[in-house]
Amino acid sequence: ETGVTQSPTHLIKTRGQQVTLRCSSQSGHNTVSWYQQALGQGPQFIFQYYREEENGRGNFPPRFSGLQFPNYSSELNVNALELDDSALYLCASSLSTLADYTFGSGTRLTVV
Amino acid sequence: SQQGEEDPQALSIQEGENATMNCSYKTSINNLQWYRQNSGRGLVHLILIRSNEREKHSGRLRVTLDTSKKSSSLLITASRAADTASYFCATAPSGNTPLVFGKGTRLSVIA
Repeated sequence: ETGVTQSPTHLIKTRGQQVTLRCSSQSGHNTVSWYQQALGQGPQFIFQYYREEENGRGNFPPRFSGLQFPNYSSELNVNALELDDSALYLCASSLSTLADYTFGSGTRLTVV
Repeated sequence: SQQGEEDPQALSIQEGENATMNCSYKTSINNLQWYRQNSGRGLVHLILIRSNEREKHSGRLRVTLDTSKKSSSLLITASRAADTASYFCATAPSGNTPLVFGKGTRLSVIA
C-alpha cells in the first residue's frame, strides 16, 4: 500500500517517560521529515533524514532523537517527556528534500 | 521559527464564493507549496509552485507567486462546504533545507 503510515495514532504518557513514534514512508521515498504541531499552530520542523543520515534539525532539545532505517522507515524518540510535548507529531516522506511531501495522519501524543 | 505568515488567520465565506489566502515569507526560496489539513489530521499537498513560476492552476485552485514581494496567494473558486479546513503555505528555502510552514488560515465554508 502506498502512502505514509504512522503508529500509534494516539498515545498517553506520563511526564518523565520516554516514547517512540514510528513512520513508514511512501514507497520510493528516501527522505523523511518529522514535525510537531501544537493545537492551533503550524507544524514545527524537528528533523529530517535523507538516506539514513540526519539532514537538518530544528530548534528542539537533544531529548528529541530519531533514526531512519535502510527501508527508509523512521522513528522519533522523545526522552524525559514534558507536558509541553503534548502535540500532534507528523511524519512526511518525499522523493527528495525539495519535492512535495506526503504526510501521514499523525500521532496525537498527550503527556499528563 | 515560522518562515511563512498566512493572512487572514481565519476566513468565513458562503458556499459558492471564492476564498483567497495570502502567504508572505522572509528568505529566498526554491519553491512554495500549499497544504490542507482537516481538523487535526495529516496535511495533504495541494500544489507546488517553483520560484521561476508566477501562476499555477489545479482544478479550482489558483496559486500565484511574487518573488519580488516574497508573497503568494491561494485562490479557491466556487468554494464548497467540504473545503472547510486549515490551509498552510510552506517554503522550501534555497539549498538543501526542509519545508518551513506558516501558522495557517482556517477556512470555514458555510452551506
